[in-house]
Amino acid sequence: QSVLTQPPSVSAAPGQKVTISCSGSSSNIGNNYVSWYQQLPGAAPKLLIYENNQRPSGIPDRFSGSKSGTSATLGITGLQPGDEADYYCASWDSSLSAFFGSGTKVTVL
Amino acid sequence: EVQLVESGGGLVQPGGSLRLSCAASGFTFSSYWMSWVRQAPGKGLEWVANIKQDGSETYYVASVKGRFTISRDNAKNSLYLQMNSLRAEDTAVYYCARDVGDYWGQGTLVTVSS
Repeated sequence: QSVLTQPPSVSAAPGQKVTISCSGSSSNIGNNYVSWYQQLPGAAPKLLIYENNQRPSGIPDRFSGSKSGTSATLGITGLQPGDEADYYCASWDSSLSAFFGSGTKVTVL
Repeated sequence: EVQLVESGGGLVQPGGSLRLSCAASGFTFSSYWMSWVRQAPGKGLEWVANIKQDGSETYYVASVKGRFTISRDNAKNSLYLQMNSLRAEDTAVYYCARDVGDYWGQGTLVTVSS
């Protein structure tokens, strides 16, 4: 069982918006940055968001991140077929270990 | 261009050992924390270990403490993971990643089976 909890799946039609939640605790999300990763089938993960809401160069602004208390959220607007993937949140813990969320599969209907 | 290339994976019997390597290029390797992350077949990502720029600090997930050792050679721009006393549950694709995971390698598969 993951330290960070995500919904197993979310879905929406092309062009719509989805949000993915990531729930943790005060020992991880509550006092540390959150990152988000996209993993396309058969590929290595790719960083989408770091430091809660920062996008690396090249990541479109359709992807956004936010954090409140011990939870974080990834938003994807203007959903495209190419966004079908697994999405993971991650955060450091007070034990100086890092944890990934359980992962969320995004399906474009 | 940043590149991370893992090697050293393969089939090993339970209780055996394996050493993974990650060759880094395209950036100043000695300036970054580095991590190993694994993914069991059909499962999610699991952070395994990380190491500070100069190797003076290392951290591990509880399930590998005492069995795995992360190390680096900044002169060779290389990251390593020595895995001992391997178990079936260590079977996974192992990725090396830079810092907060802004760059990842393609992964190397480790299979622990008799």
